Amino acid sequence: AQTVTQSQPEMSVQEAETVTLSCTYDTSESDYYLFWYKQPPSRQMILVIRQEAYKQQNATENRFSVNFQKAAKSFSLKISDSQLGDAAMYFCAYRDYNTDKLIFGTGTRLQVFP
Amino acid sequence: GAGVSQSPSNKVTEKGKDVELRCDPISGHTALYWYRQSLGQGLEFLIYFQGNSAPDKSGLPSDRFSAERTGGSVSTLTIQRTQQEDSAVYLCASSSPRGGLQETQYFGPGTRLLVL
Repeated sequence: AQTVTQSQPEMSVQEAETVTLSCTYDTSESDYYLFWYKQPPSRQMILVIRQEAYKQQNATENRFSVNFQKAAKSFSLKISDSQLGDAAMYFCAYRDYNTDKLIFGTGTRLQVFP
Repeated sequence: GAGVSQSPSNKVTEKGKDVELRCDPISGHTALYWYRQSLGQGLEFLIYFQGNSAPDKSGLPSDRFSAERTGGSVSTLTIQRTQQEDSAVYLCASSSPRGGLQETQYFGPGTRLLVL
């Protein structure tokens, strides 16, 4: 069965600095999707960035980028120029072509200090 | 609407009562998902609807849980004879048919259920 592991329960960063959140996963599939979702106190899960496993190029969305290492089954999220509004829970999620459900990690709580 | 909506936002009920949670997916999205987020179990899949196909109920924790989707749009998650361990945030998500960027699931704000 596929699993997703986020080994950092909490992280903190100074405003304007860069922080990296870790995620590893386990799967025997070769084609799948990976996602990072942000969940602020409002509870709404917001898509931050997605990566298709067949694409070698790392996805980037403005200040958010990923380091996707398929062989190592690693999918880390880098947040550059951190802002106070980035403070939230961040969830890494996996989905393959055989199932339609997302498998989530346990989340990393990110604090941003001014 | 612009996004997935869920109602009620919060629900407090007494143990043993039945509750219904509602989800309105994004217009045109044929796939609809229910997840549960609880302190002890994290985020877990409950059930998935895709068009007119039989739903994937593999994540439902017990036969007290059921869900339906009427007219391929609105979905209702029903929990019968609620227990305190049912207390959680219930999240709904929707996505477009298979293919490319449409694979992304978009989430609603959730319903926080508290069973006393």
